[in-house]
Amino acid sequence: EIVLTQSPATLSLSPGERATLSCRASQSVSSYLAWYQQKPGQAPRLLIYDASNRATGIPARFSGSGSGTDFTLTISSLEPEDFAVYYCQQRSNWPPSLFTFGPGTKVDIK
Amino acid sequence: QVQLQESGPGLVKPSQTLSLTCTVSGGSISSGSYYWSWIRQPAGKGLEWIGRIYTSGSTNYNPSLKSRVTISVDTSKNQFSLKLSSVTAADTAVYYCARVMTGYFDYWGQGTLVTVSS
Repeated sequence: EIVLTQSPATLSLSPGERATLSCRASQSVSSYLAWYQQKPGQAPRLLIYDASNRATGIPARFSGSGSGTDFTLTISSLEPEDFAVYYCQQRSNWPPSLFTFGPGTKVDIK
Repeated sequence: QVQLQESGPGLVKPSQTLSLTCTVSGGSISSGSYYWSWIRQPAGKGLEWIGRIYTSGSTNYNPSLKSRVTISVDTSKNQFSLKLSSVTAADTAVYYCARVMTGYFDYWGQGTLVTVSS
């Protein structure tokens, strides 16, 4: 099973600052990685898929990079609505573990 | 715009079967090459993929839950369903249904809390 780890667990920043979130896979997932944002009481929202493609309607301040085992989500300048929990997710072409999520990074207001 | 809505009992007794339905609106569940999935999230914790189904009925399940999970689809009602048997308190969570777009979850339901308790 492919295990995803995210760091840091919590990131304390101020609005306007740059956020850099990391996701590491236990084995290569090629570019098959997505990022989601989740706010309290809401379902997750797809931000980035295939490591670097923004989903429909996602602002340009969100960008993703990486391949293989190391991936990064960057928020260039934090807006008040960006304070949330961010999860990475990998998709495998082969069973048994088709989809796994990382444990999440919470971005909170400093 | 595709919308998904979970429905089902919010309270299930231990050892019983949890049953949820996801109703898809804004488009046919059979249109496009999409899978449909269930994901859950215990309070304050991360996301766990449960399984997925294609409209042909083909399924894949999380190995950790496979012995207890059944996902089915009813294309005539534009719905798919989850059954999780022999539940325990560890199955208490918010359950989400979602559309799978090339391996990623692009549309989600709002989630429904299921509590396992006697």
